[in-house]
Amino acid sequence: AQSVTQLDSHVSVSEGTPVLLRCNYSSSYSPSLFWYVQHPNKGLQLLLKYTSAATLVKGINGFEAEFKKSETSFHLTKPSAHMSDAAEYFCVVSDTGRRALTFGSGTRLQVQP
Amino acid sequence: DGGITQSPKYLFRKEGQNVTLSCEQNLNHDAMYWYRQDPGQGLRLIYYSQIVNDFQKGDIAEGYSVSREKKESFPLTVTSAQKNPTAFYLCASSPMATRGGYTFGSGTRLTVV
Repeated sequence: AQSVTQLDSHVSVSEGTPVLLRCNYSSSYSPSLFWYVQHPNKGLQLLLKYTSAATLVKGINGFEAEFKKSETSFHLTKPSAHMSDAAEYFCVVSDTGRRALTFGSGTRLQVQP
Repeated sequence: DGGITQSPKYLFRKEGQNVTLSCEQNLNHDAMYWYRQDPGQGLRLIYYSQIVNDFQKGDIAEGYSVSREKKESFPLTVTSAQKNPTAFYLCASSPMATRGGYTFGSGTRLTVV
């Protein structure tokens, strides 16, 4: 069975400071891992994905994540937060058996001016 | 432009009624999925389909039904047996050949009145 744990339900940063959203996963397979962002009452937008290529993955809007197998982590970072980054972020693992996604419970990012 | 269309955006249902949520994609994706989102719980898989005329139960299928008569369409019926149907419902699709590449619709918010 696979699972995803997002370690913080809520993160607050000041505009211009770094962002760190933490994610740990558990998977029996060689996982595919994703980060999605959701703005209020909207669908989900893919930020980035890891599929067993480079362990440091760069995504859209300046976000990146590093896959660390030894720590079973896939933390999302951004060097400098922008007000438009305020949203809910989901860490997701792909079940290669049934090709459906397993979601973490989400981290709400608040960006203070 | 290719994408997924969910309709309606908002839906109100009286207790005891069945309602059907529409999901249409023009991405030529083989697989389609329905997820339910509740506050603080991330997304949970209701049903998924990897091929026309075939579908499988996800983690919370009770009280829901689906059909996949066409590749482009994967409607979800919320039946009167679903005890707590008020939620945000998201449809997604993906190609079978690649890992990742999931595309999400913009969601339907269902409220029981």
